[in-house]
Amino acid sequence: AQSVAQPEDQVNVAEGNPLTVKCTYSVSGNPYLFWYVQYPNRGLQFLLKYITGDNLVKGSYGFEAEFNKSQTSFHLKKPSALVSDSALYFCAVYGGATNKLIFGTGTLLAVQP
Amino acid sequence: GAVVSQHPSWVICKSGTSVKIECRSLDFQATTMFWYRQFPKQSLMLMATSNEGSKATYEQGVEKDKFLINHASLTLSTLTVTSAHPEDSSFYICSARAPGAGTRRSNQPQHFGDGTRLSIL
Repeated sequence: AQSVAQPEDQVNVAEGNPLTVKCTYSVSGNPYLFWYVQYPNRGLQFLLKYITGDNLVKGSYGFEAEFNKSQTSFHLKKPSALVSDSALYFCAVYGGATNKLIFGTGTLLAVQP
Repeated sequence: GAVVSQHPSWVICKSGTSVKIECRSLDFQATTMFWYRQFPKQSLMLMATSNEGSKATYEQGVEKDKFLINHASLTLSTLTVTSAHPEDSSFYICSARAPGAGTRRSNQPQHFGDGTRLSIL
């Protein structure tokens, strides 16, 4: 079965420090992986995607993610966190040969000033 | 960039009322749109996949007579919650995806509306 796991419900980081939000996946075939961010009472905003090619993907707002096939991971990273990065982050994968986007449970990122 | 507009953003109504939510892709044509429901502090639950010009595909456990979906054009899908009750109160989010390169599994990301907060009294 296709699945996405975000093992941390919440990540706390001080402003200016690097941040990592973890994501692992289980899907048949080559995965199409995505990261989205959600601010309170808003929809999801697309941050970045991995389809093929370089394992390090750069996205919006200075975020990047590294695809690791052997570890089936797609962790989201940013070198220097901002307070405005505080939000709910979702990892997602297209499951197999379907249209459905499978979401992780979300990780709340809290950046302290 | 791809923009999806969802309207209304907030609805408060009495039990028994039917509520229609619109989802529009403003700068691209979306052959497929998706409707999700999100409970507080939880992930998104896919309710149905809406395909332009054909019937929606509902996920298991979602009542198709309760949640009517219409995708009449390449830029508009609507979700109607019929005879809404307090348990239908939730945050409903739509998304739209531009068509991919002919493969069933598209590499295009879904673009989301800002959601509709539905509160049934």
